[in-house]
Amino acid sequence: DQQVKQNSPSLSVQEGRISILNCDYTNSMFDYFLWYKKYPAEGPTFLISISSIKDKNEDGRFTVFLNKSAKHLSLHIVPSQPGDSAVYFCAASFGTSYGKLTFGQGTILTVHP
Amino acid sequence: DSGVTQTPKHLITATGQRVTLRCSPRSGDLSVYWYQQSLDQGLQFLIQYYNGEERAKGNILERFSAQQFPDLHSELNLSSLELGDSALYFCASSLLAGGGPDTQYFGPGTRLTVL
Repeated sequence: DQQVKQNSPSLSVQEGRISILNCDYTNSMFDYFLWYKKYPAEGPTFLISISSIKDKNEDGRFTVFLNKSAKHLSLHIVPSQPGDSAVYFCAASFGTSYGKLTFGQGTILTVHP
Repeated sequence: DSGVTQTPKHLITATGQRVTLRCSPRSGDLSVYWYQQSLDQGLQFLIQYYNGEERAKGNILERFSAQQFPDLHSELNLSSLELGDSALYFCASSLLAGGGPDTQYFGPGTRLTVL
């Protein structure tokens, strides 16, 4: 049972344009969400998070939007840079076990110069 | 560099063998987590330790066990290895016990190959 889904295995974007990565979840108990970026041969790197009491969180070029009614979150990267090319994972957790992250399958982002 | 260290980087062993993966958390972090990333399963939570005590458990096989030592480093022991255990094993650490939202920082991983 895939509780966190990233339905797009890959995304290709031109440098300078916006990248939008999407994530859907099925478990309505989830109330904390994170995005990680992963380069080959490295561990996931934390990017940005959002709590369910908010619907938007920004950090520099990265903005995460949360739509609780649709059980959907998205990560916007503006402007996209070639160094952003990586695999992006969304993750979710809740309640008394916030440490137990449930990850999506990942989306490969390629930013072309 | 996340500050989380894992050794070894690569491990090649045979079926039926036993291996130990080691993780040192970021300075100040009390929680350590273990995740398995295989090709068909993605990143799967295995287990969490907080200040030496098991805190949360995921889909960890009975052949696998972990512990966290007084100096807060952690070891993941995998025994009676099978071909399907070949995967990347990540350790992560965070400050909190899991009772509230927290950010986990990941190590570079150990690639285990079972032949």
